[in-house]
Amino acid sequence: QVTLKESGPALVKPTQTLTLTCTFSGFSFNTGMCVGWVRQSPGKALEWLAFIDWDGDKSYSPSLKTRLTISKDTSKNQVVLVMTSMDPVDTATYYCARIDESRDAFDMWGQGTKVAVSS
Amino acid sequence: QSALTQPPSASGSFGQSVTISCTGTSSDVGYYDYVSWYQHNPGKPPKLIIFEVTKRPSGVPDRFSGSKSGNTASLTVSGLQAEDEADYYCCSYGGNDNFYVFGTGTKVTVL
Repeated sequence: QVTLKESGPALVKPTQTLTLTCTFSGFSFNTGMCVGWVRQSPGKALEWLAFIDWDGDKSYSPSLKTRLTISKDTSKNQVVLVMTSMDPVDTATYYCARIDESRDAFDMWGQGTKVAVSS
Repeated sequence: QSALTQPPSASGSFGQSVTISCTGTSSDVGYYDYVSWYQHNPGKPPKLIIFEVTKRPSGVPDRFSGSKSGNTASLTVSGLQAEDEADYYCCSYGGNDNFYVFGTGTKVTVL
């Protein structure tokens, strides 16, 4: 059974750095697999943020790439997303999701973690 | 890169069909056959229902179907059921400069 679970702070202050961890199980992070992050701000659409593939190659949303860093720890089955300079507009539910390259789609999702940015 | 354009809402009677459009550009929807669709209910994670324009993951009813023409992809839900009420998002591969672009989302209501 494939599962992904996000963890991180529920509240961060403006200008702070957000660190989110995705812990996954039920699949091997090997050839053809990627893990990515997607967020949804209240009342807004889904927005792709970043992904990292099995080989460590990374890709970022052009609009956020200067603020994002994604990394993986295969031994722990974890993917970490770091977002700097948090702003209230970054208040959102953050999801991690598996990307199966053979489908080029987000085929399994975590439950999401809500992050509020407020002083 | 801008989000793909979807109508904000769509509706259909129980048992009828509804079709949702997803308009992109010749750099994403029009160029790649990597359009996926997601069903999203409040408080739950999105669920993949269509990938590679027309393919359904196992377990997704065949009432859900996808298609594409030019820069516009479409999702059709036939035989509408009450449980089909949800938000639906398209997503397209956008190339190396912007791998994934989501649509603006469509709220489907079953009348």
